[in-house]
Amino acid sequence: GIQVEQSPPDLILQEGANSTLRCNFSDSVNNLQWFHQNPWGQLINLFYIPSGTKQNGRLSATTVATERYSLLYISSSQTTDSGVYFCAAQITTSGTYKYIFGTGTRLKVLA
Amino acid sequence: DAGVIQSPRHEVTEMGQEVTLRCKPISGHDYLFWYRQTMMRGLELLIYFNNNVPIDDSGMPEDRFSAKMPNASFSTLKIQPSEPRDSAVYFCASSITGLQPQHFGDGTRLSIL
Repeated sequence: GIQVEQSPPDLILQEGANSTLRCNFSDSVNNLQWFHQNPWGQLINLFYIPSGTKQNGRLSATTVATERYSLLYISSSQTTDSGVYFCAAQITTSGTYKYIFGTGTRLKVLA
Repeated sequence: DAGVIQSPRHEVTEMGQEVTLRCKPISGHDYLFWYRQTMMRGLELLIYFNNNVPIDDSGMPEDRFSAKMPNASFSTLKIQPSEPRDSAVYFCASSITGLQPQHFGDGTRLSIL
């Protein structure tokens, strides 16, 4: 089945720094979604980005479907950005949808 | 608008007991998903429904797990009998269609003693 890999697994930043998180997927996908799981365990939608580039404030994401990867950029990081970032790939198999989550990037932003 | 609502937020029970987790999807969303999150296996899709009909339950771990969606605004995930290895956070999510973003509830943290 499709593999979804995220890197780096862990990241520690000083407040104000920028970072890039990567999501690689081993096969063609219908869609790609980025989530932030905050320290309280809530999963927050960040981007729904099957291809192209989107921006939302200090965050932006780019998916290059033909090369099977997606990037999440965090600029001017803040302590509230801490948590785990997941990408999730959606594929269609035998007429049903499959949703495969990566193992996440754990981010800690230090004040 | 209210998001996906799950209850209870926390559940602690003894091995062998029946556990029922509940989910109310966002109104107008035709798809509902149940996920389980553990340290060892990460986030796994257990089952999903389209218009109240189960479409793919291949992620349900074993017969002790069952899920129902009696109407468009309510779903349950039941574990009977529960075992300590079922301890996890269970999430419910919904989406307008199968190709639209999923919106997650806050999860139910389940501990089986």
